Amino acid sequence: AQSVTQPDIHITVSEGASLELRCNYSYGATPYLFWYVQSPGQGLQLLLKYFSGDTLVQGIKGFEAEFKRSQSSFNLRKPSVHWSDAAEYFCAVGAAGSARQLTFGSGTQLTVLP
Amino acid sequence: DTEVTQTPKHLVMGMTNKKSLKCEQHMGHRAMYWYKQKAKKPPELMFVYSYEKLSINESVPSRFSPECPNSSLLNLHLHALQPEDSALYLCASSQAAVGETQYFGPGTRLLVL
Repeated sequence: AQSVTQPDIHITVSEGASLELRCNYSYGATPYLFWYVQSPGQGLQLLLKYFSGDTLVQGIKGFEAEFKRSQSSFNLRKPSVHWSDAAEYFCAVGAAGSARQLTFGSGTQLTVLP
Repeated sequence: DTEVTQTPKHLVMGMTNKKSLKCEQHMGHRAMYWYKQKAKKPPELMFVYSYEKLSINESVPSRFSPECPNSSLLNLHLHALQPEDSALYLCASSQAAVGETQYFGPGTRLLVL
């Protein structure tokens, strides 16, 4: 079975600073990887996804993520954080055999300081 | 249009009440999902419908009863809930193929008194 680890429960950055949120997955084959963002009391919005091909994936709102098979990682990055980026971020993995079942990480809460 | 709508936005119910949550999508997706999310936790999968048939039930108590009347609608019928069932209930939909992205609705915030 697949699993996802987001090592950082809470990250605080200053507005304009760069951001990296970590995600490590466990799965025997090539996984389907997703990053979602959730504002308080809202649903989840897809930021980006990786299925195959180029390991550097561009998403919405200026986010990107890099798939590193050797490190089983799919870290999310943004070069300059905006105050509106404050939210909860979830990494998720779907397995090839049952990709409709997403396994979510525990989430990283991002706080942005003015 | 990648919108999934859910009604109501908020629901307060007593433990003896019967209520229903509704989810709708018009993206032509043939897979639909119910998730439960407690505060500060990731979503937990409850049910998956594929081509209007229940394909996954993650050992959810029978006081939660899903229904998929057609390819655009998904309901979750609630009866005799417990206070610990208070949570955000999220609906999602996707194409019914491997690796397809799930699109989430805004959720229904449920409080059981």
